[in-house]
Amino acid sequence: AQSVTQPDIHITVSEGASLELRCNYSYGATPYLFWYVQSPGQGLQLLLKYFSGDTLVQGIKGFEAEFKRSQSSFNLRKPSVHWSDAAEYFCAVGAGSYQKVTFGTGTKLQVIP
Amino acid sequence: GAGVSQSPRYKVAKRGQDVALRCDPISGHVSLFWYQQALGQGPEFLTYFQNEAQLDKSGLPSDRFFAERPEGSVSTLKIQRTQQEDSAVYLCASSLAGTSEPSGANVLTFGAGSRLTVL
Repeated sequence: AQSVTQPDIHITVSEGASLELRCNYSYGATPYLFWYVQSPGQGLQLLLKYFSGDTLVQGIKGFEAEFKRSQSSFNLRKPSVHWSDAAEYFCAVGAGSYQKVTFGTGTKLQVIP
Repeated sequence: GAGVSQSPRYKVAKRGQDVALRCDPISGHVSLFWYQQALGQGPEFLTYFQNEAQLDKSGLPSDRFFAERPEGSVSTLKIQRTQQEDSAVYLCASSLAGTSEPSGANVLTFGAGSRLTVL
């Protein structure tokens, strides 16, 4: 069975600073990888996804993520954080015949002025 | 509609009551998932439907939980004899993909969730 680890529960960054959120997955083959964002009281919104091909994927809102097979990682990055990026971020892996999506426990991002 | 719609958005139940949570997926979406998100946690898989067929219910925590999608569109998650540990946000998601679809099509669109509080 697949699993996802997000080692950072809470991260605080200054507005304008760069951001990297860590994600490690466990699965026997190459999985499908996702990052979702959840604002308070809202559902999950897809930021980006990796299925195959170029290991650096671009998403919405200026986010990108890099798939590193050797490290089983799929870290999320943004070069300059905006106050509106404050939210909870979930890494997820899809695998199996119907691509059951399994989520990590999330990283809560706080942005300070 | 344009998105996944869930109702009610908020539900308060007394312990022992039965509740029903509704999910209206995007029209034409084959796959439908239910997740449970406890406070401060990531979403946990409950069950999966492909059209009207419930192909995986391995995540349902007990036999008090029951889900259906009789006509392959709207789905209902029912919780009988609610307990305090059932308090959570219940998320519904749908996607175009079924098991025969190209893998690239399976991107989940989530509803805003139904927040259940059991007193």
